[in-house]
Amino acid sequence: NAGVMQNPRHLVRRRGQEARLRCSPVKGHSHVYWYRQLPEEGLKFMVYLQKENIIDESGMPKERFSAEFPKEGPSILRIQQVVRGDSAAYFCASSPRDRKETQYFGPGTRLLVL
Amino acid sequence: QQPVQSPQAVILREGEDAVINCSSSKALYSVHWYRQKHGEAPVFLMILLKGGEQKGHEKISASFNEKKQQSSLYLTASQLSYSGTYFCGTHGSGNTGKLIFGQGTTLQVKP
Repeated sequence: NAGVMQNPRHLVRRRGQEARLRCSPVKGHSHVYWYRQLPEEGLKFMVYLQKENIIDESGMPKERFSAEFPKEGPSILRIQQVVRGDSAAYFCASSPRDRKETQYFGPGTRLLVL
Repeated sequence: QQPVQSPQAVILREGEDAVINCSSSKALYSVHWYRQKHGEAPVFLMILLKGGEQKGHEKISASFNEKKQQSSLYLTASQLSYSGTYFCGTHGSGNTGKLIFGQGTTLQVKP
């Protein structure tokens, strides 16, 4: 009974490189959420996706960040031209439906930008 | 708008009780409680829905006052394993499935 899977668990990038973070939701869950947690801070919503649709991207920075959840395969959070301020833990969560259902979190990807 | 949690930090001895509060300035549809240990993912504890429905952990209880837009998490007879940071996440009545999290309450349980 696999939970939310994220990979890689740790990612080191140099400034200007691209970071790709992957999230496989719980089997049967069609709703995926991405949250960012800066060191010693709380969780900040970034984007909410369903299969092939972005439902709410109000928490995404306007530039360099994008997300997708294709019909087949994991959800991807992509950060282009990373900067030191992008260093954070990125958590993915999934739920079978929205609002009334628990969001189950993955283990996170810890991104370090040198 | 981010919900406000209080207190910011609590130190307890094993067996003592604690209450963590979460207040929102906006009408709420649901409140979700999570516990996060350092370096780990948030773990689900409890969900409280408008109208009184609850789902969650057997040994942890919570309340949801819809009129006051507040929720409280009750930790009784605390154990060492209760240590961590507790977050409330809220759904507004009009928004999508996203959760807006409070700033967290750090709980330390000492032997």
